[in-house]
Amino acid sequence: GAVVSQHPSWVICKSGTSVKIECRSLDFQATTMFWYRQFPKQSLMLMATSNEGSKATYEQGVEKDKFLINHASLTLSTLTVTSAHPEDSSFYICSAEAEDGRGGYTFGSGTRLTVV
Amino acid sequence: AQTVTQSQPEMSVQEAETVTLSCTYDTSESDYYLFWYKQPPSRQMILVIRQEAYKQQNATENRFSVNFQKAAKSFSLKISDSQLGDAAMYFCALNTNAGKSTFGDGTTLTVKP
Repeated sequence: GAVVSQHPSWVICKSGTSVKIECRSLDFQATTMFWYRQFPKQSLMLMATSNEGSKATYEQGVEKDKFLINHASLTLSTLTVTSAHPEDSSFYICSAEAEDGRGGYTFGSGTRLTVV
Repeated sequence: AQTVTQSQPEMSVQEAETVTLSCTYDTSESDYYLFWYKQPPSRQMILVIRQEAYKQQNATENRFSVNFQKAAKSFSLKISDSQLGDAAMYFCALNTNAGKSTFGDGTTLTVKP
């Protein structure tokens, strides 16, 4: 089945630095990937839709300059949290649409970001 | 805009018993998909079951089945013969052709031995 690999699984960074999170579709091509943010015991909040070869579409309230998304190939999307602050600490999850045409989505294993 | 509502923040079930998790949704689209995802403590999102809106037959995957009531916009998940490994947070989700998923707030399921 479709597999999405997300790295790193956890990262600790200092306030003011930038962190890059990778999301790869391992055995299928994903023209569209989605980035979510999840706070503890809460639902997934869609941050942006990543489109291969074009600019990402951000949800209302998500800072484009803070969360940079690049989808340079059909198998890789990256989310860069720039100038990270403690309030950016969260769990970030990516997903991609599987190719079975049935609307199913495969999720990465998530990245726990802690900004100190 | 589309919404997904899970009215049960927490549920518990005795091992081997049956439990039903509720979900209602709202969308103006006629073509959409509904999903139940499981998120265990590892936080990996796992697809449990999916339902295409155009199909009247309720989806079934082993011990998991849904009761899809399209007119009522209801999509409940029934877990039969509950196992300790079923303990997790369960999310109901709605996808339209636009591709974006809308998730409910989740239901935390506890399975008692």
